[in-house]
Amino acid sequence: EDQVTQSPEALRLQEGESSSLNCSYTVSGLRGLFWYRQDPGKGPEFLFTLYSAGEEKEKERLKATLTKKESFLHITAPKPEDSATYLCAVPSYGKLTFGQGTILTVHP
Amino acid sequence: EPEVTQTPSHQVTQMGQEVILRCVPISNHLYFYWYRQILGQKVEFLVSFYNNEISEKSEIFDDQFSVERPDGSNFTLKIRSTKLEDSAMYFCASSDAGTGVVKLFFGSGTQLSVL
Repeated sequence: EDQVTQSPEALRLQEGESSSLNCSYTVSGLRGLFWYRQDPGKGPEFLFTLYSAGEEKEKERLKATLTKKESFLHITAPKPEDSATYLCAVPSYGKLTFGQGTILTVHP
Repeated sequence: EPEVTQTPSHQVTQMGQEVILRCVPISNHLYFYWYRQILGQKVEFLVSFYNNEISEKSEIFDDQFSVERPDGSNFTLKIRSTKLEDSAMYFCASSDAGTGVVKLFFGSGTQLSVL
């Protein structure tokens, strides 16, 4: 059974203070990894798909990387609007196994 | 940008009552899913649906749950006799592919409260 663990559970940053979120996974065979953003009371919003170890994707202040055991979401110079829960998930076709998420709070 | 829409946004019901949660997937998508998230817990897979059939379901999706595509645009989740532990946020999702690395688009959810 696929397992996904995210750390830290919560992260408080000052505006402009860069940091990284971790997603470690145990799967029978890596079929890719997703990062989603979830705002309070909303559904997960797609950010990135990473298909294989060594791959990197960037979008604005976010950069996602993937190794054979884990993925990182790097946040560079975050702004308060980046505050959200960040979820990673591994797919088995349409069935996603999610981690518990990292709650990111960015203070002005 | 196309989006998945869910109604209602909030549903309050009494234990033992039936509820139907409704979803309109993205129009050209053929694969549909329900997930749920109990407060403070992970988003969990319930069921996937394609070509008017359930493709896969989790252990959570027992005989009290059913899904239906009653027409060309709607996709519903029915809970026959709600329990307190069914209280959760329910998310509908859709995708345009069912194999490979499948990207899901999620709706904003229905918050179900069972009293």
